[in-house]
Amino acid sequence: NAGVTQTPKFQVLKTGQSMTLQCAQDMNHEYMSWYRQDPGMGLRLIHYSVGAGITDQGEVPNGYNVSRSTTEDFPLRLLSAAPSQTSVYFCASSYSAQGGMPSNEKLFFGSGTQLSVL
Amino acid sequence: QQQVKQSPQSLIVQKGGISIINCAYENTAFDYFPWYQQFPGKGPALLIAIRPDVSEKKEGRFTISFNKSAKQFSLHIMDSQPGDSATYFCAARPSFISNFGNEKLTFGTGTRLTIIP
Repeated sequence: NAGVTQTPKFQVLKTGQSMTLQCAQDMNHEYMSWYRQDPGMGLRLIHYSVGAGITDQGEVPNGYNVSRSTTEDFPLRLLSAAPSQTSVYFCASSYSAQGGMPSNEKLFFGSGTQLSVL
Repeated sequence: QQQVKQSPQSLIVQKGGISIINCAYENTAFDYFPWYQQFPGKGPALLIAIRPDVSEKKEGRFTISFNKSAKQFSLHIMDSQPGDSATYFCAARPSFISNFGNEKLTFGTGTRLTIIP
C-alpha cells in the first residue's frame, strides 16, 4: 500500500499564482485533512473532510479551497499565493472508528509538500 | 489562542537518559491526547495516545503521564537512543459529539529532541 501520497514534493510560486496540492490515499479512509507546518507554530489545521462531498474549515482556512469528490482524493487549492503561505503542507487521513464513524484518532500523514511563495 | 502549550522547544539528552516533554491544555472538553513523532523530511506518525480515564500509559520505552486536575500531560522516553532524535508533537482533541468529525485535533508547537552519544 502506498498510504498517503502528496504531490509535488517541492514547489516555488510567484505571488498571485494559483496551484493545487494533490493528496491521495489508498486506505479507504473517510477522514482527510490538510495541515501546514511552520517553525514555532506546530501543525495547524487548514481544512478537513469526513467523507466525499463533505468539507469544513479548520484553524487557518483563509486563502485555501478544498473539495472532496471521491474518498481517495483531497486536493488543496491556493487561489492567489501569498508569501505568508510559504510553508510545509501535510495531508493526513484516518480510518473510521467503531460503527463506521469517521475519526481523526490515528492520522496517517503524507511526506509533505514544501511550498515557497516569492 | 494556543490551546495546547508544549515545552521545551528543544531538548538535548545523553544516550541512555530520560527525555521528558511536557504539554498543558486549557480546554476541559479535551478527552484524547496523542503524541506524534516526526523525522526530518517525513510526515508525523502516531507514537502513543492516552485518554483521561487513566493516569499513565506505557508502550515500550515510551510513557505518557496524565494529570487531569493540572490539565497537563507529558511524554517520557526511557533509555533514550540516537534513533529517538526527532521532533515530537503533543495534541489534544475534544470529546466526540453528535456531529462526527467536528472534533478538531489541536497540536502543540513541537519539541526537537536530540540524543547525543
